[in-house]
Amino acid sequence: DAGVIQSPRHEVTEMGQEVTLRCKPISGHNSLFWYRQTMMRGLELLIYFNNNVPIDDSGMPEDRFSAKMPNASFSTLKIQPSEPRDSAVYFCASSLDGLDTNYGYTFGSGTRLTVV
Amino acid sequence: GNSVTQMEGPVTLSEEAFLTINCTYTATGYPSLFWYVQYPGEGLQLLLKATKADDKGSNKGFEATYRKETTSFHLEKGSVQVSDSAVYFCALTGGYSSASKIIFGSGTRLSIRP
Repeated sequence: DAGVIQSPRHEVTEMGQEVTLRCKPISGHNSLFWYRQTMMRGLELLIYFNNNVPIDDSGMPEDRFSAKMPNASFSTLKIQPSEPRDSAVYFCASSLDGLDTNYGYTFGSGTRLTVV
Repeated sequence: GNSVTQMEGPVTLSEEAFLTINCTYTATGYPSLFWYVQYPGEGLQLLLKATKADDKGSNKGFEATYRKETTSFHLEKGSVQVSDSAVYFCALTGGYSSASKIIFGSGTRLSIRP
């Protein structure tokens, strides 16, 4: 299995532009998670999906952030408009057995976003 | 709510030294416990896990024992290598809440000197 695939690996954009991050979870995994990692805040859970349905988006910082999962093999995280404080590494992760996993989450390699 | 506390870094050791990274947790019920490792420029990788009290998780020479009496899951390795330099995260999930997601500690950066 290729693991969790994220694209792009790096993204540099200007303030005010729309940014779309993409994720392909492991086939057969039923839960998907979006995390943000910064030096100041560490790992923050933004949103998670179970069977393609958003379950909890309480970690999404504000309305500029939105996430979708149109099918079991694809999810997007969109920021519109982007701001410099959104600069971070964004990770997607998936889980075989849902939220309360005994197997742990499998993480992608992340997208490093820089907003200038 | 559930929480994880792990020792502050950075931790710097010489090659072949003994490693301990402390992790304690707060949770109701019976959580599963994990250690993840993040190498530079990469995502988090599951290193080892334990799902019940007294279980020992082990992988790549690392091990950790689930101690319910002390609510701890300390990571140990007998002889570290330069290639072990990374950030290590302790994490838990579960307990009584069936909808509880993984809670990560703040991470401990480990640097190994040749």
